[in-house]
Amino acid sequence: DGGITQSPKYLFRKEGQNVTLSCEQNLNHDAMYWYRQDPGQGLRLIYYSQIVNDFQKGDIAEGYSVSREKKESFPLTVTSAQKNPTAFYLCASRGQGKAVAEAFFGQGTRLTVV
Amino acid sequence: AQSVTQPDIHITVSEGASLELRCNYSYGATPYLFWYVQSPGQGLQLLLKYFSGDTLVQGIKGFEAEFKRSQSSFNLRKPSVHWSDAAEYFCAVGFSGSARQLTFGSGTQLTVLP
Repeated sequence: DGGITQSPKYLFRKEGQNVTLSCEQNLNHDAMYWYRQDPGQGLRLIYYSQIVNDFQKGDIAEGYSVSREKKESFPLTVTSAQKNPTAFYLCASRGQGKAVAEAFFGQGTRLTVV
Repeated sequence: AQSVTQPDIHITVSEGASLELRCNYSYGATPYLFWYVQSPGQGLQLLLKYFSGDTLVQGIKGFEAEFKRSQSSFNLRKPSVHWSDAAEYFCAVGFSGSARQLTFGSGTQLTVLP
């Protein structure tokens, strides 16, 4: 089955730690995205990537970093510079072209600072 | 800049009643429009999408939506709500050739009373 896999489902971070959230897709999509979801705020874009080895900042990139070394993978690192990282993180991918403009989402990772 | 407004934060309906969730967008050209549904702790699932053509689109789970250009709206409807429809619903807007992102509304939480 084609889809997007996020891992882990739950993640706990201590103060001052960096953590990495995994996102893998086998849809052969060029574009991949990371969103942060907080209650009552919808989805906010953190980073996105249109092709391998290239990515752009979204609306709330501070305190986050990404890489795109393979088409299938787009990991997100939440660094210690992110002061309020507790949230639900969603990864998505999207094909290029008019007919496939919809985004497909993973099941999310809930990150909690302890 | 494009924007999406979902005016209703929370809606409560009785099972079997009809449902309409509102969505308004702001953009000069015709966008691509989407409705997604999210169950607690899960990713987003596409309900339906509008690209062009017939302004009344049918989706999964008995949902439909109507694009009204004059009102910049894309409201989601269902004639008879089931208890399993309780979830959060997101309207989103995107543009062909723009891989940057889909812009999401802040969501409408639907509660279904027995």
